Amino acid sequence: AQRVTQPEKLLSVFKGAPVELKCNYSYSGSPELFWYVQYSRQRLQLLLRHISRESIKGFTADLNKGETSFHLKKPFAQEEDSAMYYCALSSPGAQKLVFGQGTRLTINP
Amino acid sequence: GAGVSQSPSNKVTEKGKDVELRCDPISGHTALYWYRQSLGQGLEFLIYFQGNSAPDKSGLPSDRFSAERTGGSVSTLTIQRTQQEDSAVYLCASSFEGGPYEQYFGPGTRLTVT
Repeated sequence: AQRVTQPEKLLSVFKGAPVELKCNYSYSGSPELFWYVQYSRQRLQLLLRHISRESIKGFTADLNKGETSFHLKKPFAQEEDSAMYYCALSSPGAQKLVFGQGTRLTINP
Repeated sequence: GAGVSQSPSNKVTEKGKDVELRCDPISGHTALYWYRQSLGQGLEFLIYFQGNSAPDKSGLPSDRFSAERTGGSVSTLTIQRTQQEDSAVYLCASSFEGGPYEQYFGPGTRLTVT
């Protein structure tokens, strides 16, 4: 069964500190992994996906198939990064996204 | 162009009543999805449309839930005989095609069953 686990419901760090949001998945094949973000009073939007291997707003995420993880990282957090972050998985041939429970990130000034 | 739109933005209904939620996807997007966001359950997939057909209905929680899509565009999610556990935010998303493409989400409909 496909499952995405985000172990931290809440994460609070100070501005300028590094931030890492953890995501582990359960899937036997080669999934597509995504990070979606929801800022306050905004709709859910794509932040990045592993197939693009890009950095968005300073965030990066590396797919580690051995550890079945797709952690989201940023070296220096900014206050505008405060939001709800969801890790999601899509299996090849399927269309739906399987989401984790989400992590609420708060950046303190 | 305009993003995904949903109506109504809020709906309060009495237990046992039927409700219809509407989604207007981005023009040209052939794939449409419904998700549900509820406290303690996170974001759950409900149903996926490719054009007007629904090849994946695996997330619909009971036969009280149904959805249709007409003209390859607008979709309606219908919940019959609503129950309190149906209270949630219902999100619609669309994408260019099915598969690992970016899904664009609407603002959601907050349903409250009293």
